[in-house]
Amino acid sequence: GQNIDQPTEMTATEGAIVQINCTYQTSGFNGLFWYQQHAGEAPTFLSYNVLDGLEEKGRFSSFLSRSKGYSYLLLKELQMKDSASYLCAAAELDSSYKLIFGSGTRLLVRP
Amino acid sequence: DAGITQSPRHKVTETGTPVTLRCHQTENHRYMYWYRQDPGHGLRLIHYSYGVKDTDKGEVSDGYSVSRSKTEDFLLTLESATSSQTSVYFCAISESSDRLTLYGYTFGSGTRLTVV
Repeated sequence: GQNIDQPTEMTATEGAIVQINCTYQTSGFNGLFWYQQHAGEAPTFLSYNVLDGLEEKGRFSSFLSRSKGYSYLLLKELQMKDSASYLCAAAELDSSYKLIFGSGTRLLVRP
Repeated sequence: DAGITQSPRHKVTETGTPVTLRCHQTENHRYMYWYRQDPGHGLRLIHYSYGVKDTDKGEVSDGYSVSRSKTEDFLLTLESATSSQTSVYFCAISESSDRLTLYGYTFGSGTRLTVV
């Protein structure tokens, strides 16, 4: 089975940088996804990491350490529209492409 | 963007009644998934399908059944709805491992189900 932990809520200031952590325990691991979900909407894909290291996509970066079972999502130059929930999800190591999600981190960006 | 629609968008039903939710895709993707989302639990996998008539259980499958008679449609049925099944239900689709790593799942807009 898989267990994924991430903080429930975080608050940050517009223009700042915030790091959302995710730890996972898996019986089979095939990569780590991050999704963004605004209230009342569907999740949207942000990033995927399968190798150790940092992947950068504009203001968003995602990091993975497989040996530590740890990932983080880094958001730079925060904007008010970044207020949303951020979901960490681990892919299982089989042909089903199932994703197991954490409970999500609700980020509030204040002016 | 992949075409995926869920119906209905909202439903209120009574305890003990059967309910069927529909997920329809126009992308010919092989893999389809049903998740439920509840406060404090995130998204939990109910059932998934890896082809026509090929389905399997997820972590919270009790009380739910699914069917996939055509590539484009994946139906989720609550045989006898209970208040604990009040939730937001999301359908997701995926094609292959390459597309999954590039684009992740594509999610439908969700169905908000209330069982009273």
